[in-house]
Amino acid sequence: DSGVTQTPKHLITATGQRVTLRCSPRSGDLSVYWYQQSLDQGLQFLIQYYNGEERAKGNILERFSAQQFPDLHSELNLSSLELGDSALYFCASSEGTGRNSPLHFGNGTRLTVT
Amino acid sequence: GENVEQHPSTLSVQEGDSAVIKCTYSDSASNYFPWYKQELGKRPQLIIDIRSNVGEKKDQRIAVTLNKTAKHFSLHITETQPEDSAVYFCAAVLGDFGNEKLTFGTGTRLTIIP
Repeated sequence: DSGVTQTPKHLITATGQRVTLRCSPRSGDLSVYWYQQSLDQGLQFLIQYYNGEERAKGNILERFSAQQFPDLHSELNLSSLELGDSALYFCASSEGTGRNSPLHFGNGTRLTVT
Repeated sequence: GENVEQHPSTLSVQEGDSAVIKCTYSDSASNYFPWYKQELGKRPQLIIDIRSNVGEKKDQRIAVTLNKTAKHFSLHITETQPEDSAVYFCAAVLGDFGNEKLTFGTGTRLTIIP
């Protein structure tokens, strides 16, 4: 168990809908990261928050947004969903900013858009 | 651009033989290089990492070597076992100071043949 909690584990929704994925980092970790992994693909970095502030941004679509709350948990909002958004979404956390500390991944949320 | 290249994309080795996976990176300022193992349908898990102040690190059957001058690093697995079958990702911290992000390679699917 990595200590990173993601909910829900599975999510099935229709095109055009909006969903929220939730992540609680390991105790003491200040950074939260979101990654998208499509079937048999690599890990695509979406966004990072550090202590409540956005720190780094990847190729995150405008339809997607995220935030980190004062208690350090994070939510990833996906709107106007398309079939191509179906993927495994991982949250990870790290102690510092991630420059030289490992990321610990949650078990992921599997999103299926029908 | 900033990226991490990983080779090979697939690798099959006989049980008991060694496996080597290689990665190159673009940012000479990178100083942290972790390796992750992802079993089917599961989260990526850190298996070993190396920082730029050392050239090699070993943990039982797993070792990582780093050549900062050539900007490449490698994962070596000796005496491979069936449970080593998984997808392996290398990663490096890339980007300008204050906007660094852990960038993953495209992954290597390792299959151990019994």
